[in-house]
Amino acid sequence: AQKVTQAQTEISVVEKEDVTLDCVYETRDTTYYLFWYKQPPSGELVFLIRRNSFDEQNEISGRYSWNFQKSTSSFNFTITASQVVDSAVYFCALSEGGTYKYIFGTGTRLKVLA
Amino acid sequence: GAGVSQTPSNKVTEKGKYVELRCDPISGHTALYWYRQSLGQGPEFLIYFQGTGAADDSGLPNDRFFAVRPEGSVSTLKIQRTERGDSAVYLCASSTGQGAMVEQFFGPGTRLTVL
Repeated sequence: AQKVTQAQTEISVVEKEDVTLDCVYETRDTTYYLFWYKQPPSGELVFLIRRNSFDEQNEISGRYSWNFQKSTSSFNFTITASQVVDSAVYFCALSEGGTYKYIFGTGTRLKVLA
Repeated sequence: GAGVSQTPSNKVTEKGKYVELRCDPISGHTALYWYRQSLGQGPEFLIYFQGTGAADDSGLPNDRFFAVRPEGSVSTLKIQRTERGDSAVYLCASSTGQGAMVEQFFGPGTRLTVL
């Protein structure tokens, strides 16, 4: 069965600290896609990144980076030099190749304190 | 361009009443999805449309829930005989519909409160 686990319910950091949000997934499919979304206080989910199961290359986008490891079924998200504007709930999601629906984790609430 | 819009933004109703929630997807997006997000949880899939037809409605919790997309654009989620447990934020998303790999663009949601 497919499942996404975000064990960290809430994380608080001080501005400029680095923080890593963990995501562990379960799937029997060999073709699948992983996503990260940000949900700021306004409520609208904002797409951050997509990764397919055949591409384990890590990715960096500005202060954001993602580490995908199939061996541990993890797709972790790191924010470098965090800022107050990064405060939000972050969701990891899984989509299996034969379907279109996302399976979301329960989210990690990140609080960045000034 | 305009993103996904949802109306109303908030809906308060009484137990047993009927409600309709509307979603306007991004223009040109053929795929449309409904999710439900309870407090402190991630969104849960309800139904997926490709064009006018419901391609996957496996997430609808029971037959009180129904959704339509008659012209392949706007969609309406309908809930009959509402129950207090239906209280949640209902999210709509759309995508270009080119497969599981495409990102879904989400609307701001409708917060439904059943008293």
